[in-house]
Amino acid sequence: NAGVTQTPKFQVLKTGQSMTLQCAQDMNHEYMSWYRQDPGMGLRLIHYSVGAGITDQGEVPNGYNVSRSTTEDFPLRLLSAAPSQTSVYFCASSYGRVKFFGPGTRLTVL
Amino acid sequence: AQSVTQLDSQVPVFEEAPVELRCNYSSSVSVYLFWYVQYPNQGLQLLLKYLSGSTLVESINGFEAEFNKSQTSFHLRKPSVHISDTAEYFCAVSEVIKAAGNKLTFGGGTRVLVKP
Repeated sequence: NAGVTQTPKFQVLKTGQSMTLQCAQDMNHEYMSWYRQDPGMGLRLIHYSVGAGITDQGEVPNGYNVSRSTTEDFPLRLLSAAPSQTSVYFCASSYGRVKFFGPGTRLTVL
Repeated sequence: AQSVTQLDSQVPVFEEAPVELRCNYSSSVSVYLFWYVQYPNQGLQLLLKYLSGSTLVESINGFEAEFNKSQTSFHLRKPSVHISDTAEYFCAVSEVIKAAGNKLTFGGGTRVLVKP
């Protein structure tokens, strides 16, 4: 049981490049979400999904897209990276009211 | 909408000394309350939660938190810390109403540095 996995662990992009952060869970959780972590600001919700085919925006969705074609996978896409998107990104799945977080992706946009 | 304030961004503490991390929240509806811990270079893990019942909740590694509705607080305490407690601690709230789903609002985090 791997829990929540994220790839890559580290990524450096140039401004304007696009990329996809991968997230997968093997716990059959319906609810999944993406957060970004910035110093002093805690974690802020980017997008979330309550099940396959259903996604919605969180607190800071601009510049990010998501899709949920399966229960297991919830990728986060950066369409045109900006320096303001330099952050640590965490994916999480939920059972009841408890969240299970992945190990994170540290993204730097130059 | 709700908000969470963690009053201390960093707390240095000596090994075997007590520690208290303060958390206050603001919400117009009833909330569930959580503390998550993030060890260096890792993701967040649930430390403890208050959903209902006794207002004093405990974790398996000696932390406890008390829900105080009148003061809208959920402070985290440990009577004697270990070096291994060095981590960042996040307080979070979630609205009780089902329509809120599993959305969590996090505080800014408190870094605990345990010194020998």
